[in-house]
Parts: sequence; structure tokens; C-alpha cells
Amino acid sequence: QITLEESGPSLVKPARTLTLTCTFSGFSLYTSGVGVGWIRQPPGEALEWLALILWDDDKRYSPSLKNRLTVTKDTSKNQVVLIMTNMDPADTATYYCAHRFGYGGFDSWGQGTRVTVSS
Amino acid sequence: QSALTQPASVSGSPGQSIAISCTGTSSDLGSYDLVSWYQHHPGNAPKLLISEATKRPSGVSSRFSGSKFGNTATLNIYGLQAEDEAAYYCCAYAGDNTFVFGSGTKVTVL
Repeated sequence: QITLEESGPSLVKPARTLTLTCTFSGFSLYTSGVGVGWIRQPPGEALEWLALILWDDDKRYSPSLKNRLTVTKDTSKNQVVLIMTNMDPADTATYYCAHRFGYGGFDSWGQGTRVTVSS
Repeated sequence: QSALTQPASVSGSPGQSIAISCTGTSSDLGSYDLVSWYQHHPGNAPKLLISEATKRPSGVSSRFSGSKFGNTATLNIYGLQAEDEAAYYCCAYAGDNTFVFGSGTKVTVL
């Protein structure tokens, strides 16, 4: 059974850096074809894809946010970390991490973590 | 990379069938069959319903069906049930291991 859980601060000040951790079980990032993605949903708005990291450490970012995003993995700890710089109130959202394999969709998701950007 | 276009809302009575469209561009939906669909109930994690345009993961009801033609993908829900009331999102592969989600559709069961 695949599980994922996001963790991080619930409140971030504008211009600061957000660091979120996704801790997972039931799969390994040593396995070829496996990826972990980050997706967010601002209140009342649609889902937005942010980033993807693959088993071979290939990293992809949303073109509109790539200058602010960094994703890394610690395969031995079963963790993926998302860093977003220069936070703005518009970044207030629920942030999800999700598992992907091969060409399939994001088939398992965490429950999400709510992040509010406010001074 | 703009969001895929979905109708804001679709409604139907119990037992009826509905269709949700998802329109992209030649750079995403028009180039790849790698579109997935998600059901999202408020407060819950999104749930994968369809992957690779037409494939239904194990455990997903056969009442959900996906198709794609050109730049448009479609999710059909047959035999609408009260529990189907939720938001639905498409997500397309946009090349180079990047993705784009749709604008979302709120399904209401009358």
C-alpha cells in the first residue's frame, strides 16, 4: 500500500522561503520509472502542477514557477523535499505530493498540507 | 503553459449520464495520449479515475470512462450517483516530463 504525507509550516511570511517534505512508504525512488510530483490548490481554485522528481534524479518544474522551485530527494529516507522561494500571499494553497509510475497518472496522493502566506 | 479548458459545472439527475470535456492545445493533448482524470471531494486527496486517456485503474468503478480525440479529452460518468458530486480535473502531459491541469469541473447531482 502506497502512502504519502506532506509536512511543513502552516504559516509563512511574504518573501520568505517555504520548505515542504513528502514522506512516503510502499514504493522506492530507487525503482526505475517511479516519480513523485508536487501539486497545489489555492482556496477555491483549480489544481496546479508544480514539480516532478524521478527515480534517476531528473527534475522538472512548472515553467511559470521554475525560477522559484527546487525539488530534491533523499532516497534512503523515502523523502522528497520541495523548496519554494520568495513566497507571496498568492502562494497560499494546499500543497500535495503524489506518486507516479511510468506514463500513468498520479495514482496515490497525500492528504495535503495547508500553507498560508501572511505577515 | 495555460490550464486546460473544462466547463465550470455539469449537472445531472441520478441515473443519468454526463460528459466532461477537457480541451488543450497541439502542445499537450494534441501531441500525447497521456491524459489523466481525477475526482476531488473537498477535504480529501484527489483520486485517479483514468490514466493514459482511457485506462481505468483497479478499483475504479466502470461507470467512469475516458476518451480522447485530437486536442480534446472527455470523461463520461454513467449512472450518476449522489457520491459522484465532486470536482473533476483533467491533467495532460505537456512534454519534457511537465504537466498541466484543467480548470476543473464541479459536478452536481440534482
